[in-house]
Amino acid sequence: EIVMTQSPATLSVSPGERATLSCRASQSVSGNLAWYQQKPGQAPRLLIYGASTRAPGIPARFSGSGSGTEFTLTISSQQSEDFAVYYCQQYSNWGFTFGPGTKVDMK
Amino acid sequence: EVQLEESGGGLVQPGGSLRLSCAASGFTFSSYSMNWVRQAPGRGLEWVSYISSTSNTIYYADSVKGRFTISRDNAKNSLYLQMNSLRDEDTAVYYCARGSGNSEFDHWGQGSLVTVSS
Repeated sequence: EIVMTQSPATLSVSPGERATLSCRASQSVSGNLAWYQQKPGQAPRLLIYGASTRAPGIPARFSGSGSGTEFTLTISSQQSEDFAVYYCQQYSNWGFTFGPGTKVDMK
Repeated sequence: EVQLEESGGGLVQPGGSLRLSCAASGFTFSSYSMNWVRQAPGRGLEWVSYISSTSNTIYYADSVKGRFTISRDNAKNSLYLQMNSLRDEDTAVYYCARGSGNSEFDHWGQGSLVTVSS
């Protein structure tokens, strides 16, 4: 099973600041990596797939990069509605494992 | 508009059974793979099971293999999860999620809470 790790566990950001979240896979997943956003009491929402492609309707301030085992989600200018938990997920290998999540809260 | 609506959750005793349903609308259900994902209270996301569009391919997480059964009825636009031999650790919100072209999960339901407790 491919194990996904995320860092940091919690990221404190001020509105307007840049937020950088990291995700690492225990073995290569090529570009088969997605990012999801989840707010309290809500279902997850797909943000990025294919490591760097924004899902329909996702603002341009969200961007993804990386391949193989190292991936990054960047929020270029944090908005109030972006405070949430972010999960990465690999879909390269059956198991579809998720990372433990990074909580982005207000500094 | 794509909509997924789970139902069938509730309180069940350890060792009991429950069947979850997911009603799909707003898209051609028979053209998409589907998944179940769960989230224990205060915890992260855990993929549970996958079924291809034609039901030819099915996968399970090791944690539920042999106890849970995924199925679908394309004529009824519905996805199911039969859960047997339930354990305390199966307590979670269960989401159905549509698999997109590359298998990422592009639409999710709002979830159904399953509580396993005596």
